Amino acid sequence: AQSVTQPDIHITVSEGASLELRCNYSYGATPYLFWYVQSPGQGLQLLLKYFSGDTLVQGIKGFEAEFKRSQSSFNLRKPSVHWSDAAEYFCAVGAKGGNNDMRFGAGTRLTVKP
Amino acid sequence: GAGVSQSPSNKVTEKGKDVELRCDPISGHTALYWYRQSLGQGLEFLIYFQGNSAPDKSGLPSDRFSAERTGGSVSTLTIQRTQQEDSAVYLCASSLNRGAVDTQYFGPGTRLTVL
Repeated sequence: AQSVTQPDIHITVSEGASLELRCNYSYGATPYLFWYVQSPGQGLQLLLKYFSGDTLVQGIKGFEAEFKRSQSSFNLRKPSVHWSDAAEYFCAVGAKGGNNDMRFGAGTRLTVKP
Repeated sequence: GAGVSQSPSNKVTEKGKDVELRCDPISGHTALYWYRQSLGQGLEFLIYFQGNSAPDKSGLPSDRFSAERTGGSVSTLTIQRTQQEDSAVYLCASSLNRGAVDTQYFGPGTRLTVL
């Protein structure tokens, strides 16, 4: 079965600084990859997803992620962080076909300093 | 249109009591998922429903947990004889079809506290 590791539990960045959140997955074939954001008191919202094709994926709110097969990674990036980006970020991997589709990482909490 | 809604938003109960959590998916979505999010943990898959097919219950942690989906729409997650370790946020999601290719839309969750 697929699995996801988010190595960083908590990251703090200054507003305006660049951001990279790490995600490593384990799956025997090409996976479906997702990043979700959970703001305080809100449900999870999809930021972006990778299914196939271009390995650099653009998402909402200025986020992007790059699928690197050789590193089994799907890191999330943003060139300039805004205070409103403070939230919990979850990486998820889905299997093509099969019954139990999604596995989520433990999440990375992002704090943005003024 | 309306998103996924869940009720109640918060539930405090005493150990040993039964609780019911409700999920209203997006209209027309045939797939419905329940997840549990414990403090410091990722989302733990519990159960999903797809149309009229038998649900995938492989993620339910014990036989105290059960769920049903009436009329292919509203779903209820029931936890019997609650334990303190059941305290978590329970999230519901729906998608147009089952399968990782379809984006899951999440509700705001129900925060369950078992005293």
